[in-house]
Amino acid sequence: EADIYQTPRYLVIGTGKKITLECSQTMGHDKMYWYQQDPGMELHLIHYSYGVNSTEKGDLSSESTVSRIRTEHFPLTLESARPSHTSQYLCASSDSSGGSDTQYFGPGTRLTVL
Amino acid sequence: QKEVEQDPGPLSVPEGAIVSLNCTYSNSAFQYFMWYRQYSRKGPELLMYTYSSGNKEDGRFTAQVDKSSKYISLFIRDSQPSDSATYLCAMSGFLSGSARQLTFGSGTQLTVLP
Repeated sequence: EADIYQTPRYLVIGTGKKITLECSQTMGHDKMYWYQQDPGMELHLIHYSYGVNSTEKGDLSSESTVSRIRTEHFPLTLESARPSHTSQYLCASSDSSGGSDTQYFGPGTRLTVL
Repeated sequence: QKEVEQDPGPLSVPEGAIVSLNCTYSNSAFQYFMWYRQYSRKGPELLMYTYSSGNKEDGRFTAQVDKSSKYISLFIRDSQPSDSATYLCAMSGFLSGSARQLTFGSGTQLTVLP
């Protein structure tokens, strides 16, 4: 079982609020990812990082930002939440040393912006 | 056209049935092929991964890759009600800095009836 944690699991918040979704992993993986998933839809990569102090945007445009100051921690921030940000956010990590870069997912944060 | 196509289902089978889940893809650069299982309101859980063409078996699950046809399958033998979930295929290419990007299918929702 993968040791990757996300908090909060559920968040309901009003428009205009700043929010930070937390993601931590204890596996020492160098790479971390954030995906967005709407009900019944595929996962879309919004951010990734291949190490400390590296962050890149994924293929789905997002108004969120991320940081990677520590290997185990990859928080995602929305400066001003809007209803269009309502979705499930999934964090994942992978270890490149094995070659496959198999990604392991956290349980997700379900965000609702009113 | 999406890079990865997956029949969304829903698929409903009786307990004990053999289940076949399939994905087709268009990008011949994909090298790693994965199947994830996602229970409702949870993050995806890695079931199987294979490299290049061939079969891989793990208990009741068999993953099959045919790169010449750009077609992958997951077979579940002796299906159980606990197998009821959404099954996602995923394939990897490359991002910058050697981080591999996973491209996901939209998922097939499976229900195994007792």
